[in-house]
Amino acid sequence: KQEVTQIPAALSVPEGENLVLNCSFTDSAIYNLQWFRQDPGKGLTSLLLIQSSQREQTSGRLNASLDKSSGRSTLYIAASQPGDSATYLCAVSTGTASKLTFGTGTRLQVTL
Amino acid sequence: NAGVTQTPKFRILKIGQSMTLQCTQDMNHNYMYWYRQDPGMGLKLIYYSVGAGITDKGEVPNGYNVSRSTTEDFPLRLELAAPSQTSVYFCASTLMGGTEAFFGQGTRLTVV
Repeated sequence: KQEVTQIPAALSVPEGENLVLNCSFTDSAIYNLQWFRQDPGKGLTSLLLIQSSQREQTSGRLNASLDKSSGRSTLYIAASQPGDSATYLCAVSTGTASKLTFGTGTRLQVTL
Repeated sequence: NAGVTQTPKFRILKIGQSMTLQCTQDMNHNYMYWYRQDPGMGLKLIYYSVGAGITDKGEVPNGYNVSRSTTEDFPLRLELAAPSQTSVYFCASTLMGGTEAFFGQGTRLTVV
């Protein structure tokens, strides 16, 4: 059974810092990996999607990497801002139906 | 584009009552999903559908039913509400396997 772990569970950083969120998964037979952002009381917003054949994806200040063989992904956020404060969720897709297995998330707070 | 729309946003049910959570998407996506999110836990898959007329169980299907009569709609039915079904429910859709998942804003359900 696929299991997804995210470390750390919570993180507080001052504005302007670069930071890395970690995600690990137990079964490397994945189709893709997605990073989502969730604001309190809101739905999930997709940030980056990395296919199993890719090593990384970039969008603005965000960069996600994937090492499928070792079961790891990282989300790098450059020059963090208070507006980045949210919970970040990692999910892996297995099987042709793209069913997602989620980690429990990293709660990020960026302080002024 | 509305994306994935869920109704209602909030609901309080008494034990033993029934209700239907509505989900509709306007992106002509083939695949649709229902997840539940409990505090401190990752999202868990309840049911999914890869096309109209096709549904299948996810990780936690007990106490729920679904139907998919059209491409756009994927309602989730709770027949006999129990306190263990208190959760936030998210509907999601993808165009096909391996593509980006889009989520609704969620339905917060409390069973008392």
